[in-house]
Amino acid sequence: DIQMTQSPSTLSASVGDRVTITCRASQSGSSWLAWYQQKPGKAPKLLIYKTSNLESGVPSRFSGSGSGTEFTLTISSLQPDDFATYYCQQYNTYSPTFGQGTKVEIK
Amino acid sequence: EVQLVESGGGLVQPGGSLRLSCAASEFTFSSHWMSWVRQAPGKGLEWVANIKQDGSDKYYVDSVKGRFTISRDNAKNLLYLQMNSLGAEDTAVYYCARGRGTKGAFDYWGQGTLVTVSS
Repeated sequence: DIQMTQSPSTLSASVGDRVTITCRASQSGSSWLAWYQQKPGKAPKLLIYKTSNLESGVPSRFSGSGSGTEFTLTISSLQPDDFATYYCQQYNTYSPTFGQGTKVEIK
Repeated sequence: EVQLVESGGGLVQPGGSLRLSCAASEFTFSSHWMSWVRQAPGKGLEWVANIKQDGSDKYYVDSVKGRFTISRDNAKNLLYLQMNSLGAEDTAVYYCARGRGTKGAFDYWGQGTLVTVSS
């Protein structure tokens, strides 16, 4: 199975900050990488698919990039609604796997 | 609007069984891979199982192989997860999720149903 490792596990930031979350895969060769946002008590929400494609309705301050084994989610200017936990996911195989999550907290 | 509504969760004793259901609406259910994803209390997301559009292919995370069975009824727009030999490690919120395309991200999720395994 492909293992996904996110960093950092927790991130403290202020409104207006530029935030970057990294996801590393144990195997390379795929752009089938997604990012999700989850708020407490709620289901995850798809933000980015296929590495860099913004899901419909998601604000343009969110962007994704990367290739091979390293991928990033960037929030260009953090907004109050963005404080949440973020997960990467590879879906290159029929056994998709998630990263362990990055909690974005208010500084 | 696409809707996924899970049901069937609850309290079950160790070694017991439970069947979860996910009712899908407002999309062509038979055209999508479907998955179950779980989240233990205070933990991250874990994919559990998925099933091809026609039910012919199914995949499971190693920790549930031989104990859980995913199935679907395309005529009724229902997704199921039969869970047997449950242990404390299976305690989690279980979400059903829709896959986009053959190899797709999970673009819609249900609200989740809580399964608690405890004596």
